[in-house]
Amino acid sequence: DIQMTQSPSSLSATVGDRVTITCRASQNISKYLNWYQQKPRKAPKLLIYAASSLQTGVPSRFSGSGSGTDFTLTISSLQPEDFATYYCQQSYNTLSLTFGGGTKVEIK
Amino acid sequence: EVQLVASGGGLVKPGGSLRLSCAASGFTFRTYNMNWVRQAPGKGLEWVSSISGSGNYIYYADSLKGRFIISRDNAKNSLYLQINSLRAEDTAVYYCARFNDILPGYFTVDSWGLGTLVTVSS
Repeated sequence: DIQMTQSPSSLSATVGDRVTITCRASQNISKYLNWYQQKPRKAPKLLIYAASSLQTGVPSRFSGSGSGTDFTLTISSLQPEDFATYYCQQSYNTLSLTFGGGTKVEIK
Repeated sequence: EVQLVASGGGLVKPGGSLRLSCAASGFTFRTYNMNWVRQAPGKGLEWVSSISGSGNYIYYADSLKGRFIISRDNAKNSLYLQINSLRAEDTAVYYCARFNDILPGYFTVDSWGLGTLVTVSS
């Protein structure tokens, strides 16, 4: 299985901050990388697919970059509604999907 | 609007069985591959299983093979997950989720349903 490692596991930030979350794959996955946002007691929501494509309806302050094994999710100016947990997920091997461990973004 | 509503969870004793259901609406169910993904309390997301639109192709997470059975009924727009020999570590919210070829040749889980909680405890 392809292992996905996210860092940090949690971070504290203030409204307006620029926030960066990284995700590393255990092998080359090209751009087959997705990012999800999950709020407490809610289902995950797709934010970014194919490493850098914004899902319809997602604010432009979210962006993704990277290819191969190293990827980044950036929130350019953190908003109150962005406090949540973020997960990366590889879809290079669709017969065995794997997720990163998650990054919890908390209010400082 | 895509809607996925899982049901069938509850409190089950270790060794017991449970069948989860997911009712789909708002899209042509038979043309989409579907997944089950679970999340233990306070933990991350874990993919469980996927099934093709026709039901002919089925895949499971290696660590879960043997106790989980995924199926679907396209006439009823429904997805199912049978879980046997339940263990405490199966305690989780189980989500059904749609697989979509959002780009040619690129598949992602683009829609998630309301989950159903399975609690395994004596």
